[in-house]
Amino acid sequence: GAVVSQHPSWVICKSGTSVKIECRSLDFQATTMFWYRQFPKQSLMLMATSNEGSKATYEQGVEKDKFLINHASLTLSTLTVTSAHPEDSSFYICSATSGGGQPQHFGDGTRLSIL
Amino acid sequence: AQSVTQPDIHITVSEGASLELRCNYSYGATPYLFWYVQSPGQGLQLLLKYFSGDTLVQGIKGFEAEFKRSQSSFNLRKPSVHWSDAAEYFCAVGGSRGTDKLIFGTGTRLQVFP
Repeated sequence: GAVVSQHPSWVICKSGTSVKIECRSLDFQATTMFWYRQFPKQSLMLMATSNEGSKATYEQGVEKDKFLINHASLTLSTLTVTSAHPEDSSFYICSATSGGGQPQHFGDGTRLSIL
Repeated sequence: AQSVTQPDIHITVSEGASLELRCNYSYGATPYLFWYVQSPGQGLQLLLKYFSGDTLVQGIKGFEAEFKRSQSSFNLRKPSVHWSDAAEYFCAVGGSRGTDKLIFGTGTRLQVFP
């Protein structure tokens, strides 16, 4: 149980395009989803917390207009990197929890490469 | 300030040897503690968690961790390491609600030699 699916797993695109990453909880309802960014050989950096039906809460230093997060249902959250540039290249990981003290369960991540 | 420290960046052990990965935390409230494992290019898998009760918790893949409040530590152990345990290990601390954000340590890379 507690499976989180993230799609796509790898995306390469040209500078200036927008990229959407999906995060789905397959077998539970995720009241809260989190989006992380991970640089090579480093830890996870929390970008934002999203609750279903509410606006996401962004961490300090994360551009909300650059990284658009939508959590329209209890099983789906999306992260859109708008007008992506090479410096946005990274590994993006989502996690989801049903709350009530349940731990976060992570997707397999999306490797984003901007040329 | 809330933080998690994993003092060992890289650990190398022989297959079959015992393992202990260190984790120290600083948290203003009752901590909920987690250990996650990450294989290259993958997401994180939950190994075990501590919320309350018995301070020695058992996890998957033969791992266990002990919560020591007096030392603010939550060290991960395994009596006999397998080659497939080679991965990055992250300790994390969060609040009492699953919706609280996690604070991660910088990770410990485990290398296992045959």
